[in-house]
Amino acid sequence: KAGVTQTPRYLIKTRGQQVTLSCSPISGHRSVSWYQQTPGQGLQFLFEYFSETQRNKGNFPGRFSGRQFSNSRSEMNVSTLELGDSALYLCASSWAGDSYEQYFGPGTRLTVT
Amino acid sequence: AQSVAQPEDQVNVAEGNPLTVKCTYSVSGNPYLFWYVQYPNRGLQFLLKYITGDNLVKGSYGFEAEFNKSQTSFHLKKPSALVSDSALYFCAVRDIRDDYKLSFGAGTTVTVRA
Repeated sequence: KAGVTQTPRYLIKTRGQQVTLSCSPISGHRSVSWYQQTPGQGLQFLFEYFSETQRNKGNFPGRFSGRQFSNSRSEMNVSTLELGDSALYLCASSWAGDSYEQYFGPGTRLTVT
Repeated sequence: AQSVAQPEDQVNVAEGNPLTVKCTYSVSGNPYLFWYVQYPNRGLQFLLKYITGDNLVKGSYGFEAEFNKSQTSFHLKKPSALVSDSALYFCAVRDIRDDYKLSFGAGTTVTVRA
């Protein structure tokens, strides 16, 4: 079974631009979560989607948004990029329910200059 | 309030020695607890979880963890560490107070020296 895939793997953007990151979950998984990982803040939860509905949201500004499609693929968008948005963005999928472990993709390394 | 804490930023052990990575949690009700490992420039990999049942949980790569309700801990252990176990380890908990959001600890860097 193919793992979680994220595209692109690396991205360089300029302040003020917007960016869209994509995540394809493991086949059959209905839940997709997004995380931001930085050396200073560690792993921070962005949002979780389940069957196209946002189920949970972390404490990030409205510039961060996401969505999930009917095939469970998910995208996250960051508008008006700031230098502090430079991070590794990780996507994770799980089959369903809270007791299930998440499977992580390799991440998208976003650099904002 | 932090739902999960990893009190040690770094753990250093010699190859062949026991390895312990500590984790304590603070959630109401019964916690769902997880351990993940991250190798450099990679995503996180699931190691093991505690949902219910036996307090000693066995996982991948020879790792195990013990759930201790009275001490609200879920320490990760390996009887004999390998150099290849050197990585960043994360403890995570589902918090029912926070809509079952999955919260991660700050991570513990494990270095196993040959």
